[in-house]
Amino acid sequence: SQQGEEDPQALSIQEGENATMNCSYKTSINNLQWYRQNSGRGLVHLILIRSNEREKHSGRLRVTLDTSKKSSSLLITASRAADTASYFCATDLMDSNYQLIWGAGTKLIIKP
Amino acid sequence: EAQVTQNPRYLITVTGKKLTVTCSQNMNHEYMSWYRQDPGLGLRQIYYSMNVEVTDKGDVPEGYKVSRKEKRNFPLILESPSPNQTSLYFCASGKQVSTDTQYFGPGTRLTVL
Repeated sequence: SQQGEEDPQALSIQEGENATMNCSYKTSINNLQWYRQNSGRGLVHLILIRSNEREKHSGRLRVTLDTSKKSSSLLITASRAADTASYFCATDLMDSNYQLIWGAGTKLIIKP
Repeated sequence: EAQVTQNPRYLITVTGKKLTVTCSQNMNHEYMSWYRQDPGLGLRQIYYSMNVEVTDKGDVPEGYKVSRKEKRNFPLILESPSPNQTSLYFCASGKQVSTDTQYFGPGTRLTVL
């Protein structure tokens, strides 16, 4: 079952611009994680935000979580060509500690 | 180096020929899982394991088997592969699923003819 839904499905911006991706989910969660995947490769963890947190930063990444709206956003500031990848959110459901539920991802292209 | 390894990385096989994709992690993680990734469908969990000898079905377990006899290994077995199992497969591990980073292997691209 798909819980997280990323929006937009694809995003193309100029290098140096900021990129924002959104993730919505349906049921209550413990935590939400964001991952990056370069074409055909394994996913790499970016950031985890707990349900009692509202915002988290890691370098050029900023993640927000709004549990009332059941949504999260990932902001990448000052984008670089190397940020070109697909970005996925994964939710850890409150009634199940054993599965992460993944969205279909946002494909981000940074144009030089 | 902390890592999850998968073998083989690429495999072309024929319908019905049993195959095993191995997965091994060197981080002493309790939790391991298998996913398949198909275009437009994102990641779908096949099986997961909370610890040695403890496995459970994910969202798409049909046609797959797993075992967890040792903490570090979590092989994925396709007893009788079919073309609809052509996909990109990922193994992942973590200390826990709920509060911990999941580490992914490099992927196995499987084609079943």
